[in-house]
Amino acid sequence: TQLLEQSPQFLSIQEGENLTVYCNSSSVFSSLQWYRQEPGEGPVLLVTVVTGGEVKKLKRLTFQFGDARKDSSLHITAAQPGDTGLYLCAGLNSNSGYALNFGKGTSLLVTP
Amino acid sequence: SQTIHQWPATLVQPVGSPLSLECTVEGTSNPNLYWYRQAAGRGLQLLFYSVGIGQISSEVPQNLSASRPQDRQFILSSKKLLLSDSGFYLCAWSVTAAYQPQHFGDGTRLSIL
Repeated sequence: TQLLEQSPQFLSIQEGENLTVYCNSSSVFSSLQWYRQEPGEGPVLLVTVVTGGEVKKLKRLTFQFGDARKDSSLHITAAQPGDTGLYLCAGLNSNSGYALNFGKGTSLLVTP
Repeated sequence: SQTIHQWPATLVQPVGSPLSLECTVEGTSNPNLYWYRQAAGRGLQLLFYSVGIGQISSEVPQNLSASRPQDRQFILSSKKLLLSDSGFYLCAWSVTAAYQPQHFGDGTRLSIL
């Protein structure tokens, strides 16, 4: 099983602060995806990174895929209360019909 | 557009009772279908996946089973629930290709008493 470790597990910050969350593995992934989940709902895809070293931006969110395709990071600039949620990274499990191996997630709370 | 429906939203069941959770997808054909379980506020564990009608693969040994009687219908079942079956169950679909997103239903919160 290809394990994904996310850090930190919990993060509580104030509105306007910047933050970075990490997703690391000892395995190489052909792609990594980041999802955001709100309580009582299913995860929603934020981004897919495919190429080693790739950087993608989604408004105030910046995603990076490591050169060796074993790790990824999510950086949020000037966090807002609406960014509150559980951030999950997931790697493609090529042995399971394109199912995903998920990390345990980073629970982010942004207070006004 | 594609939609995924999952029901019920919440369920409270006694230990030893049976279970049937249903998931249906609309607006796409021959999707890959998945059942995940999520512990409180944590990551998702893949339980079953299906690449076609009647084709079910299990990822972990457990008290649960899955069936796919129709192309866009995925059912999660148990004959006798255990306390450890409590959790948030999520159904998802994707197209049969790499780098594609998985689309999740809103989940079923299952509590075993």
